[in-house]
Amino acid sequence: AQSVTQPDIHITVSEGASLELRCNYSYGATPYLFWYVQSPGQGLQLLLKYFSGDTLVQGIKGFEAEFKRSQSSFNLRKPSVHWSDAAEYFCAVGAGGGNKLTFGTGTQLKVEL
Amino acid sequence: EAQVTQNPRYLITVTGKKLTVTCSQNMNHEYMSWYRQDPGLGLRQIYYSMNVEVTDKGDVPEGYKVSRKEKRNFPLILESPSPNQTSLYFCASSFLPNYNEQFFGPGTRLTVL
Repeated sequence: AQSVTQPDIHITVSEGASLELRCNYSYGATPYLFWYVQSPGQGLQLLLKYFSGDTLVQGIKGFEAEFKRSQSSFNLRKPSVHWSDAAEYFCAVGAGGGNKLTFGTGTQLKVEL
Repeated sequence: EAQVTQNPRYLITVTGKKLTVTCSQNMNHEYMSWYRQDPGLGLRQIYYSMNVEVTDKGDVPEGYKVSRKEKRNFPLILESPSPNQTSLYFCASSFLPNYNEQFFGPGTRLTVL
């Protein structure tokens, strides 16, 4: 069965600093990987996804993520954080066939001004 | 506007009183799914549907029912709600196959007393 681990429950960064959110997955085959963001009181919005090809993927809002098969990781990065990035971030892994998406427990990002 | 809608957005009820949370999407998506979100547990899939009249259990289906009589609607039914079903519920939809972006509804906060 697939699983996702987000080891950091809370992260605080200063506005303008760089950000890296960690995600490790477990899945027997090539995974489909996603990062979602949830702003307070909102649903989830897709930031980026990886299916195959280039292991560095670009997303919306200036985010990027790198797939590292050897480390079973899909870490999310942003070079300069804005106060509006404060939210909860979820990593998710999907199996092929479109019938299951497993989420991590989320990382709450706080941005200090 | 392309969207997933859920009703009601907030609901307080009592143990054992049957309730239905509606979910509707206007994007002609084949795939629809229900998740519950609990602190420290992330999102867990309750049920999903690959198309009309095709539904299947997710990770936490106990105490829930669903139906998919029309492509656009995917109601979540709690026949006898219990306090452990107090949670934040999200409906999502997407095209198939291969995990095109899942669009999430705004969420329904349910409290069972």
